[in-house]
Amino acid sequence: AQSVTQLGSHVSVSEGALVLLRCNYSSSVPPYLFWYVQYPNQGLQLLLKYTTGATLVKGINGFEAEFKKSETSFHLTKPSAHMSDAAEYFCAVSEGGNNRLAFGKGNQVVVIP
Amino acid sequence: NAGVMQNPRHLVRRRGQEARLRCSPMKGHSHVYWYRQLPEEGLKFMVYLQKENIIDESGMPKERFSAEFPKEGPSILRIQQVVRGDSAAYFCASSRESGQLSGNTIYFGEGSWLTVV
Repeated sequence: AQSVTQLGSHVSVSEGALVLLRCNYSSSVPPYLFWYVQYPNQGLQLLLKYTTGATLVKGINGFEAEFKKSETSFHLTKPSAHMSDAAEYFCAVSEGGNNRLAFGKGNQVVVIP
Repeated sequence: NAGVMQNPRHLVRRRGQEARLRCSPMKGHSHVYWYRQLPEEGLKFMVYLQKENIIDESGMPKERFSAEFPKEGPSILRIQQVVRGDSAAYFCASSRESGQLSGNTIYFGEGSWLTVV
């Protein structure tokens, strides 16, 4: 069964600094990988996804993630944090695109002015 | 905007009552998923439905929980005899198709927050 590990439930970053959220996955078949963002009392919004092809994936709001099979990782980055990036971020995996997602526990990002 | 619509957004129930959560998928989507988010936890898969069929209910608690997606109307997640531990956010999601090669994006609704008092 697929699973996701996100370390560090709370992440603080200064405005303008690099945002780095780590995600490691476990999957018995080639995975489909996703990052979602959740603002308070709202649903999940898809930031980006990897299915096949190019391993560096660009998403909305300046975020990108790189699929590294050898490291079973799909870390999320953004070069310069903005106050509006304060939210909770979830990494998710589905095995072979079966659409049943397994989520990590999430990272609550706090942006310090 | 024909996104995934969930209602009610907030629901308060006393222990022992029933909770019914509704979900209308995006236009053109025939696959519906329910997830539960407990406090300080990520989302956990509950059930996957197509019209009139339950495809995968491996994440559903064995008792008190049921889901349906009728030919007409929204999908319903029903929780009978609610207990405090059922307090959570319940998210519905939908997609156009499923299958290993589809890679179709799953779109989430804004959630229904259930509080059991």
